[in-house]
Amino acid sequence: GAVVSQHPSWVICKSGTSVKIECRSLDFQATTMFWYRQFPKQSLMLMATSNEGSKATYEQGVEKDKFLINHASLTLSTLTVTSAHPEDSSFYICSALRLLYNSPLHFGNGTRLTVT
Amino acid sequence: EDQVTQSPEALRLQEGESSSLNCSYTVSGLRGLFWYRQDPGKGPEFLFTLYSAGEEKEKERLKATLTKKESFLHITAPKPEDSATYLCAVRLPNNAGNMLTFGGGTRLMVKP
Repeated sequence: GAVVSQHPSWVICKSGTSVKIECRSLDFQATTMFWYRQFPKQSLMLMATSNEGSKATYEQGVEKDKFLINHASLTLSTLTVTSAHPEDSSFYICSALRLLYNSPLHFGNGTRLTVT
Repeated sequence: EDQVTQSPEALRLQEGESSSLNCSYTVSGLRGLFWYRQDPGKGPEFLFTLYSAGEEKEKERLKATLTKKESFLHITAPKPEDSATYLCAVRLPNNAGNMLTFGGGTRLMVKP
């Protein structure tokens, strides 16, 4: 099946620093990748849609200057949390869409970010 | 407003006790309903896609069905390893972004 690799799986950083999370589709090309955020015992909340070669589309309430998304190739998207604060601590999950009509999303294993 | 609602929020079953999880949606022109399984600290794992009312799909102890307003995930004779959060999601019509809208999930706990 389709494999999406997300790295790192967990990261602890100090308040004010920036953290980059990578999302790779390993065995297929993904024109579109999605970034989700998940709080404990809650469902996934879409943060932004990332299209290869163009600017990401952010959901309402998501600060685009804080959550920088780059989708430079058909197999790689990155999310950078800039000037992280404790309230940014969360579980971030990426997903990738195959170039097939109505194909399901395939998810990475998530990144647990803790900001101290 | 388009909505996806899952029930119950949590479900405790004894091993072997069959049950069903519900996902109801208020979307017209659905372009797919998806079921995922999520283990703690992991990303969602794709289970099924359903496209039209009356469609059914099976995988081991799981069977997903779809009507015009809801989907059920039936679990037959569950085992402790079936314990997880089950998420359903819908792909909205006329959505060029192909994003999915998720329900709140059902946390399933199967006791031996």
